[in-house]
This record gives sequence, C-alpha cells and structure tokens, in this order.
Amino acid sequence: QVQLQESGPGLVKPSGTLSLTCAVSGGSISTSNWWSWVRQPPGKGLEWIGEIFHMGYSNYNPSLKSRVSILVDKSKDQFSLKLSSVTAADTAVYYCARGEVSNRYYFDYWGQGFLVTVSS
Amino acid sequence: QSALTQPPSASGSPGQSVTISCTGTSSDVGAYNYVSWYQQHPGRAPKLILYEGNKRPSGVPGRFSGSKSGNTASLAVSGLQAEDEASYYCSAYAGSSNLLFGGGTLLTVL
Repeated sequence: QVQLQESGPGLVKPSGTLSLTCAVSGGSISTSNWWSWVRQPPGKGLEWIGEIFHMGYSNYNPSLKSRVSILVDKSKDQFSLKLSSVTAADTAVYYCARGEVSNRYYFDYWGQGFLVTVSS
Repeated sequence: QSALTQPPSASGSPGQSVTISCTGTSSDVGAYNYVSWYQQHPGRAPKLILYEGNKRPSGVPGRFSGSKSGNTASLAVSGLQAEDEASYYCSAYAGSSNLLFGGGTLLTVL
C-alpha cells in the first residue's frame, strides 16, 4: 500500500519561500506514475499546483508557474515543492498525490495534508 | 483559466437521489473525457470516486455515477446514506498539461 507524507515548516513569512517534501513509502517513486501537489486554502476548494515524473519532467499550473518549482529525489523516494514570494493567499493545506498510470490526472493516493500558514 | 463551476451546496434525505453539476468550457470539460470526482470528508484528504466521467475505482459503491453533456459534467448519488455527507469536487484536464478543479459542493444528508 503506497503512502505519502508531507513535511516541512508550518509557518512561512510573507515574501519568503514555502518548501515542502513528500515522502513516498510502500512503493518506489521511480514508476510510471506522475506525482502532484494540490493545495486547499482554509474553507475553500482544491487547486492543482503542478506535477513531476521521476525522470525530472515537470508541469505547473500556469497561474503559479512563475513562483513554483517541483523537484524529485529518487534516492530518497521523495519529491519537493518550492513556492516563492508567498503572501497570505498562499496559506493552505498542501497535499501531495499520486497520479494513476492510466491517466496522471486521476489521483489515487493522497498524503494526509500539511497546513502552511503565511504570516509575519 | 478559471476553476470549474459547482453549486456550493446540495442536499437530500436518506434514500433519495441528488445530482451535482460541474460546468466548464469547451477547452476543458467539453474538450476531453477526462473528468473526475473526489469526495472529501472534513479534515480528510480527497478520495477519488469517479474518473473518465463514469468509471469507479475499486471499492466505490455503484450508487455513485457520472455523466457529461457538452461543457457540463454531473455526479449523481442515489440511495443517499449518512456517510455520503461530504464535499465533492470535480476536476478536468484543461490541455497543455494543466488540471482544473471545481470550487466544491457540500452535500448535506437531511
């Protein structure tokens, strides 16, 4: 059973950089799956942030592309998210998720979510 | 690109049926057969319940079904049960390696 676990600082200062890591267990990150980040501001809907393949290929939501970077560390079965120049609007629960092999935009496994607050 | 449009709330009594709509454009919902639906209980991660419009992952009850007409996709829940009370989100591929979600619909079982 694949499990995903987000970790990182829960508090980031405005204009700073948000950094999160997703650890994959119960399976390898080096499969035919793509791996995504999705966020959810408190009381609001979901927003896809971007995705990465274990060979390093990545795609980002156009609305966040200028501030986002997603990287993979195959040796640790982890992938990470960096979001720069954050504001209060970036306060959200951040989820990592696995895209299905048949279609990478169907997320069959999710992390439990990690709340990041942007505040001074 | 804007988020997909869902009604903020829906409700029904136990045993009844309810339908939740998800409206996009000819560039996303209407362009591809890649609509999926997620169920989210408070404080929990979303759970995939439908994909490619009307396919259910293993373990998802047949009470959940989906359809699409033009730029609008729909989730139908029949035989409502108390455990179905949750928020439901649609998502659709929008081309150019981009994915959109709906704003979510809170389903209340009366």
